[in-house]
Amino acid sequence: DTAVSQTPKYLVTQMGNDKSIKCEQNLGHDTMYWYKQDSKKFLKIMFSYNNKELIINETVPNRFSPKSPDKAHLNLHINSLELGDSAVYFCASSRSQTGLRLRVKLFFGSGTQLSVL
Amino acid sequence: AQTVTQSQPEMSVQEAETVTLSCTYDTSESNYYLFWYKQPPSRQMILVIRQEAYKQQNATENRFSVNFQKAAKSFSLKISDSQLGDTAMYFCAFMRVLGSARQLTFGSGTQLTVLP
Repeated sequence: DTAVSQTPKYLVTQMGNDKSIKCEQNLGHDTMYWYKQDSKKFLKIMFSYNNKELIINETVPNRFSPKSPDKAHLNLHINSLELGDSAVYFCASSRSQTGLRLRVKLFFGSGTQLSVL
Repeated sequence: AQTVTQSQPEMSVQEAETVTLSCTYDTSESNYYLFWYKQPPSRQMILVIRQEAYKQQNATENRFSVNFQKAAKSFSLKISDSQLGDTAMYFCAFMRVLGSARQLTFGSGTQLTVLP
């Protein structure tokens, strides 16, 4: 009954390959995110989707393409993997509002450690 | 653009003692939220405490409290009665609300070690 689940937890692949990371949330949230944590532990937002619509798109190479088939899923596809893509990728979700109450808490998945060799 | 600065890359504290982690931020926004997240070796991001910028009262959560100085743009975390399980990387984060999106900007983190 994990709230935000990512698969796989670990991904080791060769440079030049294409890979996908999947994320699902069962919290009924309407907004999902991808964050990247580099080798120095620095966390930075990559994308955000609300109800399947892209609403945040930071400066990320075109090789990264998020896909949201429905509001409970946000997958990350990476083409032509490079050594610099090695990082931990976190999925997160949030609910915009409940009635008149603004919601601001993000729920994070446990991360996917991507290693590009 | 928002920036968040954590000037202490590493800190250590004896078990049962008190420690304060520093955080400053820069923004031109008037309405925002501030957070402290904890990341233990398990890699999970755990919310420790949250502060709404419009609230003057400092947030507290059990052994965790903040000192929020809005004019100085400072948001420090105090951990009282430190426990071994508090050993983790601590991230200060600034959030601005963009419609339905909550955009978090993180600091570079402070690795806290609680010593027995």
